[in-house]
Amino acid sequence: DAGITQSPRYKITETGRQVTLMCHQTWSHSYMFWYRQDLGHGLRLIYYSAAADITDKGEVPDGYVVSRSKTENFPLTLESATRSQTSVYFCASSSYRGKIYGYTFGSGTRLTVV
Amino acid sequence: KNEVEQSPQNLTAQEGEFITINCSYSVGISALHWLQQHPGGGIVSLFMLSSGKKKHGRLIATINIQEKHSSLHITASHPRDSAVYICAARISNFGNEKLTFGTGTRLTIIP
Repeated sequence: DAGITQSPRYKITETGRQVTLMCHQTWSHSYMFWYRQDLGHGLRLIYYSAAADITDKGEVPDGYVVSRSKTENFPLTLESATRSQTSVYFCASSSYRGKIYGYTFGSGTRLTVV
Repeated sequence: KNEVEQSPQNLTAQEGEFITINCSYSVGISALHWLQQHPGGGIVSLFMLSSGKKKHGRLIATINIQEKHSSLHITASHPRDSAVYICAARISNFGNEKLTFGTGTRLTIIP
């Protein structure tokens, strides 16, 4: 039971490069989320998706792009990576039955932009 | 001021001690989550509660909606409980829901 899988676990990239972080869930959860975690801040929402082809901005969306063509996948793309995007990124999913139930998080991707 | 505040930021205790971590929030919420994150690890959901109290093994979570306060207790603490504990308030706004996270409490249990 893989649950929710993020890849890669670790990534080092150069400033200005495009990077895509992958998130895959096996539960057909309707909601998926991308968060970043930085020292001194709680987890902050980048983007979320309520269903396939429905995405919306979170708290810190600038510099990121998402898509959700299939329910199970929710990739996050940094179009032109900057050092300020060095962070740990977490994907999460949640089922929805009139309201959101629980959250399940991936193991995280540690991204370093040099 | 953050909408969700946790205290303490860091907590070190001896094995066997009773642990309390506090979470206060300043907005109306539909639920409150307690999460656990081990060093270098992923995030695990411990509890989701909207009233009263929940218990799972040695972990107990309580919430007081009127006082906008929740606590996470660990009885008979063990070194494997060492982790960062995060509370997150679920805020509903016109059908949209979002989680607002505290900055976490780093717990270290010494054998």
